[in-house]
Amino acid sequence: DQQVKQNSPSLSVQEGRISILNCDYTNSMFDYFLWYKKYPAEGPTFLISISSIKDKNEDGRFTVFLNKSAKHLSLHIVPSQPGDSAVYFCAASSKNGNEKLTFGTGTRLTIIP
Amino acid sequence: DGGITQSPKYLFRKEGQNVTLSCEQNLNHDAMYWYRQDPGQGLRLIYYSQIVNDFQKGDIAEGYSVSREKKESFPLTVTSAQKNPTAFYLCASSKGARVYGYTFGSGTRLTVV
Repeated sequence: DQQVKQNSPSLSVQEGRISILNCDYTNSMFDYFLWYKKYPAEGPTFLISISSIKDKNEDGRFTVFLNKSAKHLSLHIVPSQPGDSAVYFCAASSKNGNEKLTFGTGTRLTIIP
Repeated sequence: DGGITQSPKYLFRKEGQNVTLSCEQNLNHDAMYWYRQDPGQGLRLIYYSQIVNDFQKGDIAEGYSVSREKKESFPLTVTSAQKNPTAFYLCASSKGARVYGYTFGSGTRLTVV
């Protein structure tokens, strides 16, 4: 049972345009969400997070939006740069989840120069 | 600099053999985790430990074993009972996943030959 879903396995975006990565979740107990970026043969690195008490969090070129009623969050990257080409994982946690993160299946983002 | 180290980076194992993957952190994190990454399946939790001498099964623990004798170390043994061990294994640690997320190691690619 995949509780965190990233329905787009891949996405290609022109350099300088906006990249939008989407994530859906089914567990209504999730209340904290994170995005990770992963290059091949490396461990994921933390990008940005959002608590369920907010609907938006921004950090430089990266913004995460949370729609709790739709159980949906999205990561916006603008402007997109070649170095953003990577796999992006959405992750979620709940207060009673023993600090575990549940990850989505990932979206491979390719930035076209 | 503090960090989390996984070794080796690449590992080959013959069918029927047990193999142990190393994970060491000097971040003074209490919690440590093992994930497995397979194409199209994201990151799946194998085992996690929130304190020394204690650990819990994750979603796919069958065929794996762990120990947590020291705060810094959380080795993972892939036993011969694991039906499909070829994968990319990621170790992570955290001082509070809900606020700080995980710090990941660079991973170990295990191939069964």
